[in-house]
Amino acid sequence: GIQVEQSPPDLILQEGANSTLRCNFSDSVNNLQWFHQNPWGQLINLFYIPSGTKQNGRLSATTVATERYSLLYISSSQTTDSGVYFCAGEGSGGSNYKLTFGKGTLLTVNP
Amino acid sequence: GAVVSQHPSWVICKSGTSVKIECRSLDFQATTMFWYRQFPKQSLMLMATSNEGSKATYEQGVEKDKFLINHASLTLSTLTVTSAHPEDSSFYICSAPRRLNTEAFFGQGTRLTVV
Repeated sequence: GIQVEQSPPDLILQEGANSTLRCNFSDSVNNLQWFHQNPWGQLINLFYIPSGTKQNGRLSATTVATERYSLLYISSSQTTDSGVYFCAGEGSGGSNYKLTFGKGTLLTVNP
Repeated sequence: GAVVSQHPSWVICKSGTSVKIECRSLDFQATTMFWYRQFPKQSLMLMATSNEGSKATYEQGVEKDKFLINHASLTLSTLTVTSAHPEDSSFYICSAPRRLNTEAFFGQGTRLTVV
């Protein structure tokens, strides 16, 4: 199966700062998604982004499928952005939508 | 948007008992659902694929007799942890895509503690 590498593993920011989270894949992927896991464990869908760029408020994401990576940008961070951010994708070999997750980035935004 | 609901949110059970977790797709039919497990401060690991009307398929290393999966309808999959032991304590979370090649939605998760 594919390998998913996320960086950085931990990130501490002051409120108002910007950040970039990265996700590298060992092979081509389908159905690439970014999630935010809240303190109660629920996964919040941020972006479904197999390719291209999308924006939603202070968040945006870019996937360069040919180079097997995706970036998540957080601008003007707020304390409520704290939590774990995961990227996940399905190997392009056709695995019936089985998502492989990275290990996550633990983001802490301090006031 | 699509919603996947999971119940219960948390459960404490005695060692040796069985626990059933339900996963429902609320506004779409899901012929396929997925069950993941997450240990503290770790990532999500796929356990099994739940297929409506047929047997579940399990990932390598997951005991199918311990983690029974039933997908009896197009909106409900259940995971039963049989003869639970403390090492089965974990966060279990289900997901379903509205259809293939679209985003997957996740349930709220179930935190299982076996004492």
